[in-house]
Amino acid sequence: QVQLQESGPGLVKPSQTLSLTCTVSGGSIRSGDYYWSWIRQPPGKGLEWIGYMYNSGTTYYNPSLKNRVTISVDTSRNQFFLKLSSVTAADTAVYYCAREAPSIVAFDIWGQGTMGTVSS
Amino acid sequence: QSALTQPPSASGSPGQSVTISCTGTSSDVGGYNYVSWYQQHPGKAPKLMIYEVSKRPSGVPDRFSGSKSGNTASLTVSGLQAEDEADYYCISYAGNNNWVFGGGTELTVL
Repeated sequence: QVQLQESGPGLVKPSQTLSLTCTVSGGSIRSGDYYWSWIRQPPGKGLEWIGYMYNSGTTYYNPSLKNRVTISVDTSRNQFFLKLSSVTAADTAVYYCAREAPSIVAFDIWGQGTMGTVSS
Repeated sequence: QSALTQPPSASGSPGQSVTISCTGTSSDVGGYNYVSWYQQHPGKAPKLMIYEVSKRPSGVPDRFSGSKSGNTASLTVSGLQAEDEADYYCISYAGNNNWVFGGGTELTVL
């Protein structure tokens, strides 16, 4: 059973870069036909898709965030990463990693989420 | 403001049915049969309940069903049980590797 777990610094200063890691267990990040995704939820608000990376390394980003987002992968560690630059208080949110399965066009596995707070 | 509109809350008594709506546009919900629904209990990861508008993953009770009409998708929970009390989110594919999400609906079992 594949599981995802987010990790990273909980607090980042404004204008700095938020860096998060998603560790995949129970299966290889290289196997199968999947998109490895990041999704966030600001306090009291709805979910927002940030972007994802296909197994080939191709990335796709939310147009509203793409100038500040980088998603990358380390297959040797079975991890993928989110970097969000030039953060402001508006980027404070719970950040989830998730797996999107093209065969069903849905996010079938999610991590528990990690809080990312932007504050000086 | 979320791209897809959901009612903030819904409720029903045990055994009753409740329907949660998810309204988008012809560019997302209306344009693709790729609406999915997720259940989230407090402090837990979201769980996929419905995909491709009306299909259930293995292990999801058949009390959960989905449908779509025009730009509005719906999730119906029949025979409400206490454990169905949770937040529910809809997600729609919007083309060109873009996704839109609903703001979530808090379902209360009275």
